[in-house]
Amino acid sequence: DQQVKQNSPSLSVQEGRISILNCDYTNSMFDYFLWYKKYPAEGPTFLISISSIKDKNEDGRFTVFLNKSAKHLSLHIVPSQPGDSAVYFCAASQTYKYIFGTGTRLKVLA
Amino acid sequence: GAGVSQTPSNKVTEKGKYVELRCDPISGHTALYWYRQSLGQGPEFLIYFQGTGAADDSGLPNDRFFAVRPEGSVSTLKIQRTERGDSAVYLCASSVSGEPGEAFFGQGTRLTVV
Repeated sequence: DQQVKQNSPSLSVQEGRISILNCDYTNSMFDYFLWYKKYPAEGPTFLISISSIKDKNEDGRFTVFLNKSAKHLSLHIVPSQPGDSAVYFCAASQTYKYIFGTGTRLKVLA
Repeated sequence: GAGVSQTPSNKVTEKGKYVELRCDPISGHTALYWYRQSLGQGPEFLIYFQGTGAADDSGLPNDRFFAVRPEGSVSTLKIQRTERGDSAVYLCASSVSGEPGEAFFGQGTRLTVV
């Protein structure tokens, strides 16, 4: 039973356009959500997070939206840059334990 | 050090052998986690330490896996009688406390059992 799902394994976007990465979850007890970015041969790097009491959090080019009724969150990157090309994981937590999705590979085309 | 450090970066071992994977967390972080990432999957939780004690080891797949953190800082993940299915990237992370918030990950140890 996969509690956190990223249904798009890959996404290609032109440089300068918006990238939208999606994530769905099933457990309504999750109260904190995070996005991590991972380059090859490196560990995941924290990108942005959102508490379940909010529906939006913004940090520079990155915005995370949370729709609790739909159990859905999304990461918007605008404008997308070639350096954003990586695998993006969403994660959900209730306490200390993160449940990760399977990741979406983003490729930003120059 | 500035970040979470894991050694070795790569480990190749023969089936049936014993391996130890080391994690140096960020100084002052009381919470430490081990995750395992198999090909094409997201990281999966193995064990969580708060200080020296394993607060939750429910993710360890079987009794061949064991982890310690004797002084509340460095942690070692130990795998006995390794099997080919143990091949994965083992990730360590640490955070200030166990409260929800970003955990900082190391670069991982890629374990290959041949």
